[in-house]
Amino acid sequence: QQQVKQSPQSLIVQKGGISIINCAYENTAFDYFPWYQQFPGKGPALLIAIRPDVSEKKEGRFTISFNKSAKQFSLHIMDSQPGDSATYFCAARGGGAQKLVFGQGTRLTINP
Amino acid sequence: GAVVSQHPSRVICKSGTSVKIECRSLDFQATTMFWYRQFPKQSLMLMATSNEGSKATYEQGVEKDKFLINHASLTLSTLTVTSAHPEDSSFYICSAAPDGRSAQHFGDGTRLSIL
Repeated sequence: QQQVKQSPQSLIVQKGGISIINCAYENTAFDYFPWYQQFPGKGPALLIAIRPDVSEKKEGRFTISFNKSAKQFSLHIMDSQPGDSATYFCAARGGGAQKLVFGQGTRLTINP
Repeated sequence: GAVVSQHPSRVICKSGTSVKIECRSLDFQATTMFWYRQFPKQSLMLMATSNEGSKATYEQGVEKDKFLINHASLTLSTLTVTSAHPEDSSFYICSAAPDGRSAQHFGDGTRLSIL
């Protein structure tokens, strides 16, 4: 019940296209859903986060879509650029716990 | 804002030595810090949660006598890998948050290689 399942494991998108990464969770007590971007040899950097009281949040080219009834949330990267090539992790937290539960990660490659 | 600094970024040492890794929150006070381990091409595995002024809470399967955590101030937590062996080689990452409701911000990790 504590798992967050992320897909796909890897994704290749052409420059200018839309990258979409999906996550699903089971624990209905989760109330905070961040996305992190990680480049090789670096720590994860917070990209964008959402709470379940809204269905969508947009920051620049990055958008989180949240479906509470389906217990799913996704990251959309619009106008994908080669510099977006990285590993992306979704995560969830809630139920009084401070720790994050991470998805398995998606390795995104943007072809020029 | 919300910068977390981790030091050293890379360490190579002989088997049997102890290694200390520092995690500092530079522009905020962190009541809670987290320590993760990451294997190549895998997700982050939480090792322990560190609360300032109290004992760390270790995840199941993590040896607390092997991985000593100290959170003596609101801006500094340390992880000491005691009597390190080659199987302890990994990428160790810390994160910090001002409180339980805030976002976690990560350091840049420490690449530990035990020969």
